Amino acid sequence: GENVEQHPSTLSVQEGDSAVIKCTYSDSASNYFPWYKQELGKRPQLIIDIRSNVGEKKDQRIAVTLNKTAKHFSLHITETQPEDSAVYFCAASSRNTPLVFGKGTRLSVIA
Amino acid sequence: DAGVIQSPRHEVTEMGQEVTLRCKPISGHDYLFWYRQTMMRGLELLIYFNNNVPIDDSGMPEDRFSAKMPNASFSTLKIQPSEPRDSAVYFCASRSSYNSPLHFGNGTRLTVT
Repeated sequence: GENVEQHPSTLSVQEGDSAVIKCTYSDSASNYFPWYKQELGKRPQLIIDIRSNVGEKKDQRIAVTLNKTAKHFSLHITETQPEDSAVYFCAASSRNTPLVFGKGTRLSVIA
Repeated sequence: DAGVIQSPRHEVTEMGQEVTLRCKPISGHDYLFWYRQTMMRGLELLIYFNNNVPIDDSGMPEDRFSAKMPNASFSTLKIQPSEPRDSAVYFCASRSSYNSPLHFGNGTRLTVT
């Protein structure tokens, strides 16, 4: 089955700097890669997703890149703000497999 | 749409008791998932349904756990008997197709003493 590895597990950045979180997956059939943000005590919420026919997608300060050959994808947050502090999860799925999540990255943005 | 609705939000019970968690998916979503979240294991998939039919229950920890989806708008996750190691946040989530966004409920925080 699918296995998703996520790094780093914790990340601290200064406000205004960029943050990058990386994930690898094992199943070459995976074709849907979402990213979720979870604030303390709340549910995970989708922030951006990418499908395998696209290499990069941007939404304001957030971007995701996908390298299908290497089976890895990354989340980039630019101009970080204190409200970006949360746990971020990557995930992967295909037609025959449900979403499998990485272990999460705890991002702290220091003002 | 009200989103995925879970109840109760919090459940505190004693070891050995039966626990039932409830979920109402978003209307029109054909897929329903039950996840368990702990610090140690992260988000674990327990079971998922497609069109009310259980597709994969390989994540269910043991026979003490069972899940049902009697119709398109309701699912339950039952633990009987409960144990302290079952303490976690249980999320229900739904999606409309295999590669569409997954929407989570607010979760049920279960504490077994």
